[in-house]
Amino acid sequence: ETGVTQSPTHLIKTRGQQVTLRCSSQSGHNTVSWYQQALGQGPQFIFQYYREEENGRGNFPPRFSGLQFPNYSSELNVNALELDDSALYLCASSFLTGLAGSSYEQYFGPGTRLTVT
Amino acid sequence: AQTVTQSQPEMSVQEAETVTLSCTYDTSENNYYLFWYKQPPSRQMILVIRQEAYKQQNATENRFSVNFQKAAKSFSLKISDSQLGDTAMYFCAFMSANDYKLSFGAGTTVTVRA
Repeated sequence: ETGVTQSPTHLIKTRGQQVTLRCSSQSGHNTVSWYQQALGQGPQFIFQYYREEENGRGNFPPRFSGLQFPNYSSELNVNALELDDSALYLCASSFLTGLAGSSYEQYFGPGTRLTVT
Repeated sequence: AQTVTQSQPEMSVQEAETVTLSCTYDTSENNYYLFWYKQPPSRQMILVIRQEAYKQQNATENRFSVNFQKAAKSFSLKISDSQLGDTAMYFCAFMSANDYKLSFGAGTTVTVRA
């Protein structure tokens, strides 16, 4: 069973630039959730993708966008980068059926450390 | 929105001893799940233990156990026989059965001393 992977591991960008982060979900999972973790804080929910559709969004501006592909991998795109976007970006995969009894546990990837200068 | 509170920023424990981490949450929902995640310096978030709100029995996973008090909205984690590898940041997290999104607390840093 393949775990959740993320790329790249580290990234340095300049304010105003755009960035794309990638996540491959665990084998058999159909849902990917993205979280932003600022230094010394708990992760904050950005959005979730279920079967290629956005399935809920946290309190993040529209310049944070995402995609999920038919193989359930996902991308997080951030436009017009700001200094406060510097954080660890975590993706987590899970298997949801839309029915009661979904396997709800989320399994996390190792994260991408984004630094905006 | 649900709020998860971890009131202990840091805890230190001697190897082989027991440490208990506290967590409280605020919700009006009745059907939800609670989790403890561990994040070592390698930063990989690892699921430690989970509890379904409809279950009265407290979850146990090897040396890790929880004390779930639904009425008090409290969900503490006990680490028994602490090992050096338990050194990490521990996060309490809430998930509603309506949306399956995680809300995390601010975390507790646990240091196990040799």
